[in-house]
Amino acid sequence: DAGITQSPRHKVTETGTPVTLRCHQTENHRYMYWYRQDPGHGLRLIHYSYGVKDTDKGEVSDGYSVSRSKTEDFLLTLESATSSQTSVYFCAISERAYEQYFGPGTRLTVT
Amino acid sequence: RKEVEQDPGPFNVPEGATVAFNCTYSNSASQSFFWYRQDCRKEPKLLMSVYSSGNEDGRFTAQLNRASQYISLLIRDSKLSDSATYLCAVNVRYSSASKIIFGSGTRLSIRP
Repeated sequence: DAGITQSPRHKVTETGTPVTLRCHQTENHRYMYWYRQDPGHGLRLIHYSYGVKDTDKGEVSDGYSVSRSKTEDFLLTLESATSSQTSVYFCAISERAYEQYFGPGTRLTVT
Repeated sequence: RKEVEQDPGPFNVPEGATVAFNCTYSNSASQSFFWYRQDCRKEPKLLMSVYSSGNEDGRFTAQLNRASQYISLLIRDSKLSDSATYLCAVNVRYSSASKIIFGSGTRLSIRP
């Protein structure tokens, strides 16, 4: 299995609080991605990174920001969490922007 | 219309049966195609990459039909352990980068 970890694995937070999710890889892959997965919507891309400090928006980026200061870490921040951001968040990595390998996911509940 | 569409299922088939799923995509410039397997409350895992006209891996066969813009996954001699959700994914090229778009998944349940 690809060396990808996510932290925290579970989090419950209140509306309006900031939340940061971390993705860490040991594969030295260039590309990193954040997805959210909700029933009926499948996996939707939030943001992705194609190198250190190089990031771009996905299809559902509103309310989220990301940072990548090191190859191995990709952070996803919810500046002010809302109930609509309750979801399962997956990080993924890839070397050539084709096959992607996923982390174990973070279950986020916003009350 | 979604860029990648799958029949959500569920498909409920007996052990040993052959089952096939289709996945349609809308961007004719798509170059790369994938099947992922996702178990309940787990992350998706790459099952197969589908290049050119298709490929086979044991009991699993993936086919690509560019003219009709769909990919298919065939599972022969299905096992109880094949029960999962199967996601198709398509590489779509935009102006600045290429991205993988996932279908919503097809649920498969194998019964004894």
